[in-house]
Amino acid sequence: EADIYQTPRYLVIGTGKKITLECSQTMGHDKMYWYQQDPGMELHLIHYSYGVNSTEKGDLSSESTVSRIRTEHFPLTLESARPSHTSQYLCASSEYNLLNEQFFGPGTRLTVL
Amino acid sequence: RKEVEQDPGPFNVPEGATVAFNCTYSNSASQSFFWYRQDCRKEPKLLMSVYSSGNEDGRFTAQLNRASQYISLLIRDSKLSDSATYLCVVNMDTGRRALTFGSGTRLQVQP
Repeated sequence: EADIYQTPRYLVIGTGKKITLECSQTMGHDKMYWYQQDPGMELHLIHYSYGVNSTEKGDLSSESTVSRIRTEHFPLTLESARPSHTSQYLCASSEYNLLNEQFFGPGTRLTVL
Repeated sequence: RKEVEQDPGPFNVPEGATVAFNCTYSNSASQSFFWYRQDCRKEPKLLMSVYSSGNEDGRFTAQLNRASQYISLLIRDSKLSDSATYLCVVNMDTGRRALTFGSGTRLQVQP
């Protein structure tokens, strides 16, 4: 089993609230990622990081922001949640090598009312 | 055209059947290839990497054809527990970017 954790697992929140989704991994992986996935749909990359103080936007435009102050921690923040942000958010990590095999956390299911 | 294309299915097969999934990718310079399995409302989990020479893990066999840019997954003697969505995943860059995921093929194994 991969050692990557996400909290909270489920979150129901009202419009306009600021939220932070937590992701931590204990594998010492340099690379970390955030994906967004709606039910029955494909994964979309929204943010990634190669290491501490490195963050990049992914393929899907997102109003969220990320930070990478520590190797093991890659939180995602929404300054003002909206119903359109309702989705599952999956965090993943990988070693910095050519193979790029990724391991996923259990996800956070976000509902914005 | 999508970078990684899969037949969405669903594939409905009886227990014990052999089922094959195919996937095509657009970037001929792609570096590494994987099959992930995703159960309903769960995270994707790595099923197996795919090597140029082909590889087998129990009932699962993966093949890669670089010339035709396609990857396959064969499942023999299907079990009810094999019911899931199978994601074809390609590493198109040399380490800097994330993996590119196909939209998945859904398999339903019936008793």
